[in-house]
Amino acid sequence: DAKTTQPPSMDCAEGRAANLPCNHSTISGNEYVYWYRQIHSQGPQYIIHGLKNNETNEMASLIITEDRKSSTLILPHATLRDTAVYYCIVNNFGNEKLTFGTGTRLTIIP
Amino acid sequence: KAGVTQTPRYLIKTRGQQVTLSCSPISGHRSVSWYQQTPGQGLQFLFEYFSETQRNKGNFPGRFSGRQFSNSRSEMNVSTLELGDSALYLCASSLAPGQGVYGYTFGSGTRLTVV
Repeated sequence: DAKTTQPPSMDCAEGRAANLPCNHSTISGNEYVYWYRQIHSQGPQYIIHGLKNNETNEMASLIITEDRKSSTLILPHATLRDTAVYYCIVNNFGNEKLTFGTGTRLTIIP
Repeated sequence: KAGVTQTPRYLIKTRGQQVTLSCSPISGHRSVSWYQQTPGQGLQFLFEYFSETQRNKGNFPGRFSGRQFSNSRSEMNVSTLELGDSALYLCASSLAPGQGVYGYTFGSGTRLTVV
């Protein structure tokens, strides 16, 4: 079973920041938080991951709470191409098996 | 560089038949994982291969099998197809076991329809 809880859907206006929440209250100390997204008819795409510090890359920022029980993925300036299902996953380093939940369907509105 | 290549992209088979799907990982990637995606069950892990050995297996019946070749290319086979096997089958590659933490690269998948 997935160890994460995400809202099933969200809308965001184009050009605004999209903030996608994820609860992972049972996360253990050696588990990372990963985010992937899946655009229709394509395979999932890796976005970002983190352990306990906030992370930023060219795609997004990841904010992890101090107790690590929740996190937020931030797309700073959403575009129509960011419309996708976003998956939050917790996983041990070296565990090759990813357990996907149902994700959040993000729709960017023009 | 080329991404993960899965062939064929679409496939229609009849119940009872068997099917083989192919995955070519990114050049230099030696670990390959397979996932099944259905509307009802979402994305589910099938198995993972490294150095021609299955390292990890999901909770699927024995009709689902796979293998990996010395060039890291992988195939998965489903025998005695059932209607419920209709799904998008996705392959993901990483450099090696333990390197997937830096992000797996998924292919576009093979959409299998069983009629």
